[in-house]
Amino acid sequence: AQSVTQLDSQVPVFEEAPVELRCNYSSSVSVYLFWYVQYPNQGLQLLLKYLSGSTLVKGINGFEAEFNKSQTSFHLRKPSVHISDTAEYFCAVSDPNAGGTSYGKLTFGQGTILTVHP
Amino acid sequence: GAVVSQHPSWVICKSGTSVKIECRSLDFQATTMFWYRQFPKQSLMLMATSNEGSKATYEQGVEKDKFLINHASLTLSTLTVTSAHPEDSSFYICSATNGLAGVLSEQFFGPGTRLTVL
Repeated sequence: AQSVTQLDSQVPVFEEAPVELRCNYSSSVSVYLFWYVQYPNQGLQLLLKYLSGSTLVKGINGFEAEFNKSQTSFHLRKPSVHISDTAEYFCAVSDPNAGGTSYGKLTFGQGTILTVHP
Repeated sequence: GAVVSQHPSWVICKSGTSVKIECRSLDFQATTMFWYRQFPKQSLMLMATSNEGSKATYEQGVEKDKFLINHASLTLSTLTVTSAHPEDSSFYICSATNGLAGVLSEQFFGPGTRLTVL
């Protein structure tokens, strides 16, 4: 079974500082990896995804993530954050080899609340 | 991006009553919808997967007779919590995709429904 661990439940940073949100997964097989963002009172929105190819993935709003297979990690980074990046961020995995109705099912981490202070 | 709505956004009910939550895809046809539950400070847990016109597939440990899912059209799925009890209080989130079986498609998430059972 797959599992996802987001190592930090809360990350406070100052505006324009860099940030890294950590995500580790456990899986003995290949995986698809995702980062979602949830703004207050809104649904989850896809930030970026890794399916195959380049291990450095660029997403929306200036975020990027790097897939590290040896460390089973998919950390999310942004070089300079804005107040508007304040939100909760979720890492998720999916099994590309799952069949039938299991294909596309997502397993989520616990979420990391990013708070950007002025 | 595609929009998914949920109604109601929050509901309070008495123990023993049933509550229906609607999930609608507003601008696309959702062949598959997923229902998640999120307890405070925990990750989203998949409850069930529903494909339009067929019975939902429930995750292990989820009572299908308690959480009734109907996906009668390509734009609407409903989750009915029957005989709700305080332990059913949670945040219920749906997602929808227009993906076909065996094809990985992005899930679009609704804003969630907060259920409180007194």
